[in-house]
Amino acid sequence: AQTVTQSQPEMSVQEAETVTLSCTYDTSESDYYLFWYKQPPSRQMILVIRQEAYKQQNATENRFSVNFQKAAKSFSLKISDSQLGDAAMYFCAYGSMDSNYQLIWGAGTKLIIKP
Amino acid sequence: ETGVTQSPTHLIKTRGQQVTLRCSSQSGHNTVSWYQQALGQGPQFIFQYYREEENGRGNFPPRFSGLQFPNYSSELNVNALELDDSALYLCAVAGQRNTEAFFGQGTRLTVV
Repeated sequence: AQTVTQSQPEMSVQEAETVTLSCTYDTSESDYYLFWYKQPPSRQMILVIRQEAYKQQNATENRFSVNFQKAAKSFSLKISDSQLGDAAMYFCAYGSMDSNYQLIWGAGTKLIIKP
Repeated sequence: ETGVTQSPTHLIKTRGQQVTLRCSSQSGHNTVSWYQQALGQGPQFIFQYYREEENGRGNFPPRFSGLQFPNYSSELNVNALELDDSALYLCAVAGQRNTEAFFGQGTRLTVV
């Protein structure tokens, strides 16, 4: 069975600085999806970035980028130029190719932005 | 704004009761997944419906059941509520295969 582990319960960063959130996973599948979701106090999960395992190039979305290390089963999220609106819970999630809406989630990392 | 609406937003139930949670979305979202998120934890997959049929289920007992309707709205039903069922329940909808799933704002269920 697949598992997702986020080892940082809480991270803090100064506004405008860069922060990296860690995620490791375990799977025997060769093709799959990995996701980072943001959950603000409004509770709604918002997709931050998505990575297909068969793509070697790391995904990037504006200030958000990932470091995907397939062999190490590591999938970290880097947030550049942190903004106050980035404060939220961040969840790493795994989806298999056949059922990528049946996501397996990590426990989350609370990101605090210091003004 | 994702166009996914969950109702109610909050509710309180007594242990042993039954509850129905609802999720609606724009047309074309023929896949709906339900998740349970306990306080301080990541979501846990409950089940998924595609074109009105269940096509995936997580490690939840049969007292958790669901429906998907022709208009793509969906229900999550929980019978014989237990205190541990207290959680945020999220639905996520998707259209074309392998496209982004959109989440609702969830229903906060408290069982007392």
